[in-house]
Amino acid sequence: AQSVSQHNHHVILSEAASLELGCNYSYGGTVNLFWYVQYPGQHLQLLLKYFSGDPLVKGIKGFEAEFIKSKFSFNLRKPSVQWSDTAEYFCAVSPYGQNFVFGPGTRLSVLP
Amino acid sequence: DAGVIQSPRHEVTEMGQEVTLRCKPISGHNSLFWYRQTMMRGLELLIYFNNNVPIDDSGMPEDRFSAKMPNASFSTLKIQPSEPRDSAVYFCASRVVSDTQYFGPGTRLTVL
Repeated sequence: AQSVSQHNHHVILSEAASLELGCNYSYGGTVNLFWYVQYPGQHLQLLLKYFSGDPLVKGIKGFEAEFIKSKFSFNLRKPSVQWSDTAEYFCAVSPYGQNFVFGPGTRLSVLP
Repeated sequence: DAGVIQSPRHEVTEMGQEVTLRCKPISGHNSLFWYRQTMMRGLELLIYFNNNVPIDDSGMPEDRFSAKMPNASFSTLKIQPSEPRDSAVYFCASRVVSDTQYFGPGTRLTVL
């Protein structure tokens, strides 16, 4: 069965620090990859997605992610975080034509 | 587009009562998902439908839970009888197969 792992359960950073959240998946075929963000008290919203093409994808709010096929990874990055980035971040994988599989989430706390 | 619509947004009920949660997916989407989110267990997939047909209900906790999708624009998740451990936020999401999932605002259920 497909699975998604996220490296950190909780990350604490100061404002202006750089962010990298790890995501690895287990599936050998073609996949679509997603990062979602959930701000406190809200629903999940799409940050960015990768279907094909340039493995470096840019999303909203200055986030980007890099797909490394050989490592089955899709890590999320942001060069300088803000207090407003405090949220939970979910990586998700969707093998083509099949279900979504979400990772367990990483909680990011940004200290002002 | 109005996005995924869920009702009610908040539900407080007493143990043993029947609870019905409702979802209207985005028009044109042919997959619909029900999730449950709690602090302890995180985001759990309960069931998903493709073209109104339940595909995977392995996440439904027990027989007290049932879900229906009578047509492409409406789905219900029913809990009967409800128990305090069912207290959670229930999200509905929809998508076109293999594309991005869009989440509704959620229903916060409290069972006393």
